[in-house]
Amino acid sequence: ETGVTQTPRHLVMGMTNKKSLKCEQHLGHNAMYWYKQSAKKPLELMFVYNFKEQTENNSVPSRFSPECPNSSHLFLHLHTLQPEDSALYLCASSQDVAGGFLELFFGEGSRLTVL
Amino acid sequence: AQSVTQLDSQVPVFEEAPVELRCNYSSSVSVYLFWYVQYPNQGLQLLLKYLSGSTLVKGINGFEAEFNKSQTSFHLRKPSVHISDTAEYFCAVRTDLNDMRFGAGTRLTVKP
Repeated sequence: ETGVTQTPRHLVMGMTNKKSLKCEQHLGHNAMYWYKQSAKKPLELMFVYNFKEQTENNSVPSRFSPECPNSSHLFLHLHTLQPEDSALYLCASSQDVAGGFLELFFGEGSRLTVL
Repeated sequence: AQSVTQLDSQVPVFEEAPVELRCNYSSSVSVYLFWYVQYPNQGLQLLLKYLSGSTLVKGINGFEAEFNKSQTSFHLRKPSVHISDTAEYFCAVRTDLNDMRFGAGTRLTVKP
């Protein structure tokens, strides 16, 4: 069982669809993240959840809606996306300690294509 | 805020040759530094990290990196590469709580 599992691995959706990406971590960590990876661009941090509370939202459009029901699960709900939202969406987790976390553990990503 | 610059977007190299992937960062405070590798259709995997102590850090798959505070660099090296090292490599820096910044990546292509 891998540390951070993402489903689905591939998703194709139309601009009017509603879909969700799921992430589950089996590492006992207390923080989870969504990153967006587009071609030729650095990774973009989208959302951070620490102890299930959202602690960061980097000006992400409202058509992306995160949900963190517990410290092991993280969802990204998608609605009325645009073609430019096509990208690899990476989930990560970390164990936060006093002074911050030490490293991020990533899932294999969900490749999203918006038609 | 810190930033990360990976100086080469692509590095082609022949098998068994040495390689260096360059990374420079900007930060006015102490940093933690990381190198991640991404194989095709996979997520990012930690290669090595510098937290404190010795400036020469050894990681998995024979990679190592050296933290140079005066030059604000953290270059990744391997003395002899294999075909299987072909991948995208990302340098990252963290200073503040939950704030990790990634470089744009370097595509390493190892040719036979």
